[in-house]
Amino acid sequence: DTGVSQDPRHKITKRGQNVTFRCDPISEHNRLYWYRQTLGQGPEFLTYFQNEAQLEKSRLLSDRFSAERPKGSFSTLEIQRTEQGDSAMYLCASTKTGGNSPLHFGNGTRLTVT
Amino acid sequence: QKEVEQNSGPLSVPEGAIASLNCTYSDRGSQSFFWYRQYSGKSPELIMSIYSNGDKEDGRFTAQLNKASQYVSLLIRDSQPSDSATYLCAMAGNQFYFGTGTSLTVIP
Repeated sequence: DTGVSQDPRHKITKRGQNVTFRCDPISEHNRLYWYRQTLGQGPEFLTYFQNEAQLEKSRLLSDRFSAERPKGSFSTLEIQRTEQGDSAMYLCASTKTGGNSPLHFGNGTRLTVT
Repeated sequence: QKEVEQNSGPLSVPEGAIASLNCTYSDRGSQSFFWYRQYSGKSPELIMSIYSNGDKEDGRFTAQLNKASQYVSLLIRDSQPSDSATYLCAMAGNQFYFGTGTSLTVIP
């Protein structure tokens, strides 16, 4: 169990640029989640996958955000035309299917949009 | 809209005291609840899971669940300065719902 891995750890970008983040879940976990967290707030749900299927996406999520999990293993989160309000910690987490399994988080990607 | 509510604090306790953190939730059908600890600038770390009414103890930590009152709590006994962090309460559904967290400071 090598844990959830996220890359990069930090990303600084200029407003209007596109960014892509990668997440590698724990190998036996079939569910993968993306959350966003800003200072003083709890993690805000963005989307989740079961295997390669994207099962739910937050209604608050702008069309500029897209996520994929093409082979049911790693996932990518892309933000197009970044805005300063996108600056946050982006957290990936994974778990097994089943209500009693907790989320295990990666170290997160800190995005700063200048 | 499923919600998890926490008192954001800050909560300060002296070293060696008991810290009590509380959480209420809106979905009466929820079965699984979790407490995470988050140090500043780091990601959340799971410290307790609880699924049944009553108490669950793990070392210095005790989680309490009361489904009738829709209430979850976390007690930290013999609090240490290293316990100073934000504690997040989470409720599992298809997604996981998080509270805003309670900031705890343990004063040496």
